[in-house]
Amino acid sequence: IAGITQAPTSQILAAGRRMTLRCTQDMRHNAMYWYRQDLGLGLRLIHYSNTAGTTGKGEVPDGYSVSRANTDDFPLTLASAVPSQTSVYFCASSGAGTDTQYFGPGTRLTVL
Amino acid sequence: GQNIDQPTEMTATEGAIVQINCTYQTSGFNGLFWYQQHAGEAPTFLSYNVLDGLEEKGRFSSFLSRSKGYSYLLLKELQMKDSASYLCASMDSNYQLIWGAGTKLIIKP
Repeated sequence: IAGITQAPTSQILAAGRRMTLRCTQDMRHNAMYWYRQDLGLGLRLIHYSNTAGTTGKGEVPDGYSVSRANTDDFPLTLASAVPSQTSVYFCASSGAGTDTQYFGPGTRLTVL
Repeated sequence: GQNIDQPTEMTATEGAIVQINCTYQTSGFNGLFWYQQHAGEAPTFLSYNVLDGLEEKGRFSSFLSRSKGYSYLLLKELQMKDSASYLCASMDSNYQLIWGAGTKLIIKP
């Protein structure tokens, strides 16, 4: 692994189903983030984690949950998917403070 | 409130120079980032400014004026591969990034 990986690359999901998007980094970064990107809108922060064992809510947390059991992994779960959660989801990580955020390749999710 | 504004789309000619502007209102400002994003790909880091002035990095330069809440990204000697979206993001007092919607740059031969 080099950098950040995300899985799956893309997914079509029926409304009401549960889905977990996976994110793993090998840079030993303390902070990790989940964003969604929709056409015409900037990246919007869903949840973040400043260090393993802690998480926080971003701008659009409703319908999503996260966990940070260790430094490397930061999964995002949609408990019961709805069509408005159709989006491209990016995971990112950074060292601390003003350090640069580095992004994974993204997951394109379609909820029907 | 916190807000970032940048133009939606710009067009420029190969070999020319283009300036992409960004204005921001951010509480507890901790710097201004520029990212490049090609269609269907992840954003990649271009520059970070926290002090006033111009930072030059090859063909790309970034400028910041904290008193005016203003930044720009300057791209010189444009190449076709520079066709992408350019994202402006300011960092707030909690070290969270507030993102603009991005400027789609179209390069014409």
